[in-house]
Amino acid sequence: AQTVTQSQPEMSVQEAETVTLSCTYDTSESDYYLFWYKQPPSRQMILVIRQEAYKQQNATENRFSVNFQKAAKSFSLKISDSQLGDAAMYFCAYRSSSVTQGGSEKLVFGKGTKLTVNP
Amino acid sequence: EPEVTQTPSHQVTQMGQEVILRCVPISNHLYFYWYRQILGQKVEFLVSFYNNEISEKSEIFDDQFSVERPDGSNFTLKIRSTKLEDSAMYFCASTLTSSGYTFGSGTRLTVV
Repeated sequence: AQTVTQSQPEMSVQEAETVTLSCTYDTSESDYYLFWYKQPPSRQMILVIRQEAYKQQNATENRFSVNFQKAAKSFSLKISDSQLGDAAMYFCAYRSSSVTQGGSEKLVFGKGTKLTVNP
Repeated sequence: EPEVTQTPSHQVTQMGQEVILRCVPISNHLYFYWYRQILGQKVEFLVSFYNNEISEKSEIFDDQFSVERPDGSNFTLKIRSTKLEDSAMYFCASTLTSSGYTFGSGTRLTVV
């Protein structure tokens, strides 16, 4: 079974600075998707960024980018120019892409990292 | 931008009562899911639904739980006889493909 580990329960960053959130995962599959979700105090789950494992290029969405290291099974999230509105829980998640070959379609989440942004 | 809508946002129920949590997925999505998050813990998969049947379910999804898509737009989660430990945030999600889910804003269920 796949597992996702977020080793940083809490992180803090100064406004306008850069912060990196760590995520590692364990899988025997070669093709899969990885996601970062943001959960603000309202508790809604908001997709931040996704990465297809077959793509070598790291995904980028505005101030958010990932460092995907497939061999190391690492998927970190970098937030540049941090803003107060970035304060939230951040969850890393894994999903198999081989559903038709018996892979699970469920998202497997890490325990989350609580990000605080200091003014 | 299309949204997944969940109602109610908060429900309080007495232990042993039945509850139905409602979701309206994005209209052209084909895959539907329920997840739950007990306060302070990780988000856990409950069930996936495709082509009008359950395609996968977790160990949590026992006989007390059921899902239904009664009218082609709503997607419901029923808990037949609630327990204290069912208190959690329940999220509905839908997707057209495997490339990304859209989550609803959740229903906070409190069992007293």
